[in-house]
Amino acid sequence: DADVTQTPRNRITKTGKRIMLECSQTKGHDRMYWYRQDPGLGLRLIYYSFDVKDINKGEISDGYSVSRQAQAKFSLSLESAIPNQTALYFCATQGSTDTQYFGPGTRLTVL
Amino acid sequence: AQSVTQLDSHVSVSEGTPVLLRCNYSSSYSPSLFWYVQHPNKGLQLLLKYTSAATLVKGINGFEAEFKKSETSFHLTKPSAHMSDAAEYFCVVSPPGTASKLTFGTGTRLQVTL
Repeated sequence: DADVTQTPRNRITKTGKRIMLECSQTKGHDRMYWYRQDPGLGLRLIYYSFDVKDINKGEISDGYSVSRQAQAKFSLSLESAIPNQTALYFCATQGSTDTQYFGPGTRLTVL
Repeated sequence: AQSVTQLDSHVSVSEGTPVLLRCNYSSSYSPSLFWYVQHPNKGLQLLLKYTSAATLVKGINGFEAEFKKSETSFHLTKPSAHMSDAAEYFCVVSPPGTASKLTFGTGTRLQVTL
């Protein structure tokens, strides 16, 4: 079984809808991250969490919110989706080493 | 501040020939450097990392990279390409010690032809 899972894997929605992307991990890591990937731009950090009570904004947090429900779960919400939020979204985890482990990604399309 | 530049957006090689993916970085400190690979419809997988130990770093699947401080480079190489190496490769820089603030390059797509 995968250590970092993301649901859904694909989602098509309409402008103005609220969307939640979920991330779960079985690695026992405290640190979790949400990134978005756009063609030609690499990955950019949206939000990160060092533990359940610690949430931090990344470089592109506007239009997004997160919830760390437990050590193993970190959700990303788009309160009112817009077309330029169409992207590939990745969750990642990190333990005590300097390596981040990535989930398989969620492809989100906002029409 | 930190940044990373991948000099080629697309590289095409023949199977069995060497691979060179170029990466330059900018950092106000001695950084940690990583190469990640992304196969189609998959998440990112760590290939190798440099964290101020040996300057020549060996990774998985025969890849290696050399940290050159004087040139601010961290190029990825492999002596002989395999079809399964076709993927997108990301050079990544972070402050030393924590790797919690990763800065990604824009990626290099490697194509391997017969």
